[in-house]
Amino acid sequence: AQSVSQHNHHVILSEAASLELGCNYSYGGTVNLFWYVQYPGQHLQLLLKYFSGDPLVKGIKGFEAEFIKSKFSFNLRKPSVQWSDTAEYFCAVMGRPGNKLIFGAGTRLAVHP
Amino acid sequence: ETGVTQSPTHLIKTRGQQVTLRCSSQSGHNTVSWYQQALGQGPQFIFQYYREEENGRGNFPPRFSGLQFPNYSSELNVNALELDDSALYLCASSLGTSQHSNEQFFGPGTRLTVL
Repeated sequence: AQSVSQHNHHVILSEAASLELGCNYSYGGTVNLFWYVQYPGQHLQLLLKYFSGDPLVKGIKGFEAEFIKSKFSFNLRKPSVQWSDTAEYFCAVMGRPGNKLIFGAGTRLAVHP
Repeated sequence: ETGVTQSPTHLIKTRGQQVTLRCSSQSGHNTVSWYQQALGQGPQFIFQYYREEENGRGNFPPRFSGLQFPNYSSELNVNALELDDSALYLCASSLGTSQHSNEQFFGPGTRLTVL
């Protein structure tokens, strides 16, 4: 079955700490990978995406993610978080070709000043 | 460029009633996908409409139905509402083909509460 697993449901960090959110997927085929963010009171926004090419992908607001095909993983990283990064983060996969996003359960990140 | 909009923002219904949610897709997009996000969970794919035809469906019963109009806006209809239908309903638009959807842009969602 197709699925996405996010390792942490809740993460609490202090400002300037480094962040890594784990994401593993199960999908029998080629995939496109995504990280979405949902800030409090706002709609889902795309942080970054991987379609092909360099497995290290850079997104907005200093986020990056690395696709490791052998591990079926697409972990999200940021070297130094800010209070404004407090949000819920969703990893998602779409088969290629394909038309539906399969989301993980999300990781709620709280950054304390 | 106008983003994805949804209406209404919030809705309260009682069990057994019917509801219609609306979505206007982003300019230039021909595909609309609907997702249900229950509290504490990630969005789950309900179905997708491409050029006014249903183009893929998730694991949702037939009482969840939809429409897409010639201007690519869309409606999600839910009949015989159940308590478990309480959720945030998200619409996402994209430019794609019948085989593949490119990057999906999400609207703010409609929060449905079923009492």
